[in-house]
Amino acid sequence: SSELTQDPAVSVALGQTVRITCQGDSLRSYHASWYQQKPGQAPILVIYGKNNRPSGISDRFSGSTSGNTASLTITGAQAEDEADYHCNSRDSSGTHLVFGGGTKLTVL
Amino acid sequence: EVLLVESGGGVVQPGGSLRLSCAASGFSFRSYWMHWVRQVPGKGLMWVARMNSDGSTRDYAESVKGRFTISRDNAKNAVYLEMNSLRGEDTAVYYCARESMVGAFLIDYWGQGTLVTVSS
Repeated sequence: SSELTQDPAVSVALGQTVRITCQGDSLRSYHASWYQQKPGQAPILVIYGKNNRPSGISDRFSGSTSGNTASLTITGAQAEDEADYHCNSRDSSGTHLVFGGGTKLTVL
Repeated sequence: EVLLVESGGGVVQPGGSLRLSCAASGFSFRSYWMHWVRQVPGKGLMWVARMNSDGSTRDYAESVKGRFTISRDNAKNAVYLEMNSLRGEDTAVYYCARESMVGAFLIDYWGQGTLVTVSS
């Protein structure tokens, strides 16, 4: 399968920890990347590779993978973390890029 | 600062054509693979196409193969997306994006996007 599946919406209480997941067969072969997107803005890379953060990204963000499921964890969620989160990876053939449907994170 | 600025979006009739442009600055453009990704407003992202640094290799999503063409001009620091035989389902915000040198298919920077509306 070349698809990635994400829960459409997740909520978290302010200051608590939340995990956003991304499932797909290609994740057994390729790492997921995670992007944060706020309304009207372009996506921003927050996690890539095994668990790497680009410069300037808060250490509240971390990533992991188990089997066919990649996870983005936000530890101590803040109001500014409210956004859509998209995962992607190569597809199973390794020649195309696929995205999950995105998860809308609400910080309560 | 890495900057990607898309242009060329607009309203086009079904079956029509449109050419999107992306002007890049703030990095050595000729060294990077470039992508186009689209997003129906309020929906998820969908990868469209990818081109290598010298323009000799191109990949496309199945849904646009044969209708869309990605190209680049390294002298002008620009990447393009020629879109033909447009359909209603091609309506989306189109983003130009840079592939990182850290890993293949890893997109590290995005433009702000340009909206394409296919409607009669």
